[in-house]
Amino acid sequence: SSELTQDPAVSVALGQTVRITCQGDSLRSYYASWYQQKPGQAPVLVIYGKNNRPSGIPDRFSGSSSGNTASLTITGAQAEDEADYYCNSRDSSGNHPYVFGTGTKVTVL
Amino acid sequence: QVQLQESGPGLVKPSGTLSLTCAVSGGSISSSNWWSWVRQPPGKGLEWIGEIYHSGSTNYNPSLKSRVTISVDKSKNQFSLKLSSVTAADTAVYYCARVSGYDLISWWFDPWGQGTLVTVSS
Repeated sequence: SSELTQDPAVSVALGQTVRITCQGDSLRSYYASWYQQKPGQAPVLVIYGKNNRPSGIPDRFSGSSSGNTASLTITGAQAEDEADYYCNSRDSSGNHPYVFGTGTKVTVL
Repeated sequence: QVQLQESGPGLVKPSGTLSLTCAVSGGSISSSNWWSWVRQPPGKGLEWIGEIYHSGSTNYNPSLKSRVTISVDKSKNQFSLKLSSVTAADTAVYYCARVSGYDLISWWFDPWGQGTLVTVSS
C-alpha cells in the first residue's frame, strides 16, 4: 500500500503533551521521517530514523514506532509548535518510492 | 551548509510544459544523496514527484511518471524538473529537497528549497 494516514487535526494546551500518529503498511519496513510546516513556509525536518533530531530542533520533539504506526510526540508544546505536520516513508510495495502522510494540523491552545 | 533554490516561470499555459531548476549551493550534487522534487497544491498536502542521483538514475511517482522528466547538470550543480501536458490540477508550490538515508530503512528530506508557486492558467 502507498498510503500513510494521519488524523486531520489535533489540539493541545500550552505546555502539555501531544502525540501525532501516522499509519501505513510501509512503516513495518521503514522508519518514518517527520516534517513541520508553518503557513507560507517550506517543510522542515524534525525527526528521522529511530528517533533522531536534526541540529536546531528542540528536544521536546521525539519519535517512536510500533508495528504499522509511527508517532511524533511534542512534550511541553509551545505556541511556536502550531503548524502542519507530515510523516513520510519509503513505500514497501516497491511501486511508489516515497509517500507522504495526509498531514495533521496541530493547534496550541 | 547545503542550500537549495528553485527557479522557473510562475505561470504556465494549459497543455504546456512546466520547467523548474533547483540550484544546489554549499555542497556537491555529486554527493551520496538523491535529489527530489515535491509539490503542494494550495491548501493541500505534500506529493512526492520524483528523484535523481548524480549518475542520472531516476525514480518517479507512478501517477506522474508519463509526464515527468528529472535531469541533472553536474557542471552547474543543479537538477531540473519538466512536467508536460499540464492542467490546472498541476498548480502547486514546487519544492526541491535533498534525500539522505542509512541502513536502507531510514530516509529523510533535508534541506528543502523555499518553494516556488507555479500556476497553470491561460
